[in-house]
Amino acid sequence: DTAVSQTPKYLVTQMGNDKSIKCEQNLGHDTMYWYKQDSKKFLKIMFSYNNKELIINETVPNRFSPKSPDKAHLNLHINSLELGDSAVYFCASSPNAGSSETQYFGPGTRLLVL
Amino acid sequence: SQQGEEDPQALSIQEGENATMNCSYKTSINNLQWYRQNSGRGLVHLILIRSNEREKHSGRLRVTLDTSKKSSSLLITASRAADTASYFCATDAGGGADGLTFGKGTHLIIQP
Repeated sequence: DTAVSQTPKYLVTQMGNDKSIKCEQNLGHDTMYWYKQDSKKFLKIMFSYNNKELIINETVPNRFSPKSPDKAHLNLHINSLELGDSAVYFCASSPNAGSSETQYFGPGTRLLVL
Repeated sequence: SQQGEEDPQALSIQEGENATMNCSYKTSINNLQWYRQNSGRGLVHLILIRSNEREKHSGRLRVTLDTSKKSSSLLITASRAADTASYFCATDAGGGADGLTFGKGTHLIIQP
């Protein structure tokens, strides 16, 4: 069974659209994260959620909004997509709050905005 | 420049040789982790070394940490074609639930 799963794997959409990416973890972890990896492979933290509470929010445009219906899910909703949003988005989870923990990554969602 | 910068950016060696990748960081850390990313896949955790540790081994992997120089190295011994991947170091900002700060990675190619 996949520990951290994301859907869709690929997402191609037009500029200005609104889209969501879903993430689920079956590890029983308390903390989930969203990362963005750009075309140069640079990986940057976007959000983290601990027990359904947003605990960090880096300098990410407010067009991006994480939504966590329960501890096992952290979805990423993006409004008014822009060309620069094209990237690979990774979901991750860790057992507890606190980054001194191994993080488990999903396979990524490749977003292309046209 | 960012926390956690790896060098070299790319490394190509023959199968069976050892591969060494380095990582430098700027702020104090609780731990440093190394991850591997195969092409088109997610990141896989390899090893975590805490700030009070100097060296750690896991199978063919050896990681060192020098907090005085704010640097770490990852050594892969007896490389195999399957080791071809990008390798990232990641540091924590300390405290709370901050996400990891990743470097830009070293792309390792193992020539058969």
